[in-house]
Amino acid sequence: TQLLEQSPQFLSIQEGENLTVYCNSSSVFSSLQWYRQEPGEGPVLLVTVVTGGEVKKLKRLTFQFGDARKDSSLHITAAQPGDTGLYLCAGRSGTYKYIFGTGTRLKVLA
Amino acid sequence: SAVISQKPSRDICQRGTSLTIQCQVDSQVTMMFWYRQQPGQSLTLIATANQGSEATYESGFVIDKFPISRPNLTFSTLTVSNMSPEDSSIYLCSATLGETQYFGPGTRLLVL
Repeated sequence: TQLLEQSPQFLSIQEGENLTVYCNSSSVFSSLQWYRQEPGEGPVLLVTVVTGGEVKKLKRLTFQFGDARKDSSLHITAAQPGDTGLYLCAGRSGTYKYIFGTGTRLKVLA
Repeated sequence: SAVISQKPSRDICQRGTSLTIQCQVDSQVTMMFWYRQQPGQSLTLIATANQGSEATYESGFVIDKFPISRPNLTFSTLTVSNMSPEDSSIYLCSATLGETQYFGPGTRLLVL
């Protein structure tokens, strides 16, 4: 069974602080995605990483795919209250399915 | 991009009854998925629904409990049958366009 463990599970920080969320597995994935979900809504795709070692930036968010394609990280610089939400990583399993990580609940306090 | 709507947005049901959740996509898509999520937690895939074929269920989910229809390329339904309080959850549908998976807003179900 493929599992994606995220850490930390919960994170509460002050506005302006930096943070990193980790997504780890013992399995290799052909690609990995990061989503953010707000209460009452479905997850929204932030980024897809495909190549081992790949780094992608989306404004203040930096995503990295591990060299072995088993892990990934999401770094947020100068967090803002609007970054609050549930962050989910998802690894591609097979040709079309994604396995979702355990989730990280982030709260950024003003 | 794709916009996905779900009906109902929420419901409270009595145990032993069934509820059918509808999922409408504003684009034609090949693959649609149904997930279950406890509030604030991860998503668990229930099944994959392709138009014109039987749904493919994940381990722990069976067709008798969660029958799925996929009559065309823009619509799917998930029925939660013979409900018990353990079925209380958020049910999400999604569809894939290219490499992007789009999600509906979810149906929040409470079974009493």
